[in-house]
Amino acid sequence: DTAVSQTPKYLVTQMGNDKSIKCEQNLGHDTMYWYKQDSKKFLKIMFSYNNKELIINETVPNRFSPKSPDKAHLNLHINSLELGDSAVYFCASSQVLAGELFFGEGSRLTVL
Amino acid sequence: AQSVTQLGSHVSVSEGALVLLRCNYSSSVPPYLFWYVQYPNQGLQLLLKYTTGATLVKGINGFEAEFKKSETSFHLTKPSAHMSDAAEYFCAVSEKTSYDKVIFGPGTSLSVIP
Repeated sequence: DTAVSQTPKYLVTQMGNDKSIKCEQNLGHDTMYWYKQDSKKFLKIMFSYNNKELIINETVPNRFSPKSPDKAHLNLHINSLELGDSAVYFCASSQVLAGELFFGEGSRLTVL
Repeated sequence: AQSVTQLGSHVSVSEGALVLLRCNYSSSVPPYLFWYVQYPNQGLQLLLKYTTGATLVKGINGFEAEFKKSETSFHLTKPSAHMSDAAEYFCAVSEKTSYDKVIFGPGTSLSVIP
């Protein structure tokens, strides 16, 4: 039974389109995150939610909008996709803030 | 704000040789330190972590790391490399502040030569 699951695993889309990535965790954690990994493998935190409340919002374009309907789910919607949005997006969760992170397998987004 | 540097974006070792991956951090308060491993096309998984207490931390797959406050380092070692250790390794730091977050280093790609 997968602890942190993301869908879809792959997305290929055209510039200007809108896409969403969904994440679910069954670990009972209160905190969930979105990280972006670029082509050089560099990982950067984008957002963090604690018990459905947004607590970290890094300098991410407004085109990115996270949403947490409940503490087990965290979705990421991206509007007006740009070439530079191509990356692997990882969802993660933790039991305590800034503690051990449990990662999903990633969603590879390719913008053409 | 905290930050992490990893010396060497790519490290190659022979099978059976010592693995040493370097990590230095910057933090204004006592840090929590982590090493994660990422295998190809997978998410990251925790190898080991330091929060408080013993400065030599043992993790999974025979890895260990030592927290050295005076050197602001948290280097990862393994006495004998296996082919299965080939992966990307990330050092990470967090600190208890109002906005807790885990910051990752740029990663070190480990190759193991038969």
